Amino acid sequence: QVQLQESGPGLVKPSETLSLTCTVSGGSIRSYYWSWIRQPPGKRLEWIGFIHSGGTTNYNPSLKSRVTISLDTSKNQFSLRLNSVTAADTALYYCVREVGATRFDYWGPGTLVTVSS
Amino acid sequence: AIQMTQSPSSLSASVGDRVTITCRASQGIRNDLGWYQQKPGKAPKLLIYAASSLQTGVPSRFSGSGSGTEFTLTISSLQPEDFATYYCLQNYNYPRTFGQGTKVEIK
Repeated sequence: QVQLQESGPGLVKPSETLSLTCTVSGGSIRSYYWSWIRQPPGKRLEWIGFIHSGGTTNYNPSLKSRVTISLDTSKNQFSLRLNSVTAADTALYYCVREVGATRFDYWGPGTLVTVSS
Repeated sequence: AIQMTQSPSSLSASVGDRVTITCRASQGIRNDLGWYQQKPGKAPKLLIYAASSLQTGVPSRFSGSGSGTEFTLTISSLQPEDFATYYCLQNYNYPRTFGQGTKVEIK
């Protein structure tokens, strides 16, 4: 059974960088798309971007200038960096597997990141 | 980006009721649409993909239909564990976009 688990600081100061890591267990990180999705309190889900196991990335244009997603196949992990955060970046952040660009089938439990001084 | 609009935003229903949720896309997306269920404090769970394909392990009371710009999720007989928020998601292109959600509450 594939499992995903997010990890990282739950509190980030405004203008600093949000960094999260997702550890994938129970399966290989190869041959899939790995995405980050977030959900601000009371709002709809927002797709942040993906990295494919081959290294290709694609980011939401609304966040593209501030986002980097990277992959460490040796550790079965992928990571999110979001620069210059503001209160608007406060959200539940999920790491997710996308199968063949058709569906998000496995989700991490989510981690709440609050941006506040 | 493709805009996804769900209706209604919320509904009240009783156990055993048939429930239908609609999702409209701002442009044609073939059948590249999924439905997800989210319970409080939990991650979304995939129910339906490719508009009408039931994800493994999902009860058969859930079904999806539609193509192009209009899609529906139907729960044939609402069960107590089905009270949740439901989201549609288009995977036709990037950026992936979600509907605003439909909250199904107990009447």
